[in-house]
Amino acid sequence: AQKVTQAQTEISVVEKEDVTLDCVYETRDTTYYLFWYKQPPSGELVFLIRRNSFDEQNEISGRYSWNFQKSTSSFNFTITASQVVDSAVYFCALSAPRAGNMLTFGGGTRLMVKP
Amino acid sequence: DTGVSQDPRHKITKRGQNVTFRCDPISEHNRLYWYRQTLGQGPEFLTYFQNEAQLEKSRLLSDRFSAERPKGSFSTLEIQRTEQGDSAMYLCASSLDRGDEAFFGQGTRLTVV
Repeated sequence: AQKVTQAQTEISVVEKEDVTLDCVYETRDTTYYLFWYKQPPSGELVFLIRRNSFDEQNEISGRYSWNFQKSTSSFNFTITASQVVDSAVYFCALSAPRAGNMLTFGGGTRLMVKP
Repeated sequence: DTGVSQDPRHKITKRGQNVTFRCDPISEHNRLYWYRQTLGQGPEFLTYFQNEAQLEKSRLLSDRFSAERPKGSFSTLEIQRTEQGDSAMYLCASSLDRGDEAFFGQGTRLTVV
């Protein structure tokens, strides 16, 4: 069975603060993929990033960065210099071949960025 | 291509009625997924198709739920004899192939009264 845990249900920060969203996963597969999605108030899930299990390099895209650590089964997401537009629910997800490659989502973290 | 589209965006129905939702995936995508999302939760997988073949349906919530993708293009999700507990957002997603990122539609919000 696979599982994704996002322990932080809600985070509130003031604009320009850095914030890290935690994600811990469980899977028995050695090959798997990890994802982050953003769900703004409009409701549509927006794809942010996909990493495969063999690539532990951290990634940076503008103000966003991701830290993948296989040793701790974590795939954390950091927003630098947060902005009000970053306010949304963020979901971490996992897919693996043994589970048909469908996405297993965590419960999400609601991020509120105040001006 | 404008992405994954779902129709209708909102559906209000009376308990016991049947409802059908449609999903049009991104045109070259082989995989199509259905998920359900209830308030405050992450999306929950229901079923998926590889082209026209439904490869996993054991996660459908009950035998009242069924899905089709007859020609490997658009898909429909039907709920028969709706119950109040079926009220949720139903999301469709598509991906080029397994393991690839899935792109989601805007969802169909079902309210059963």
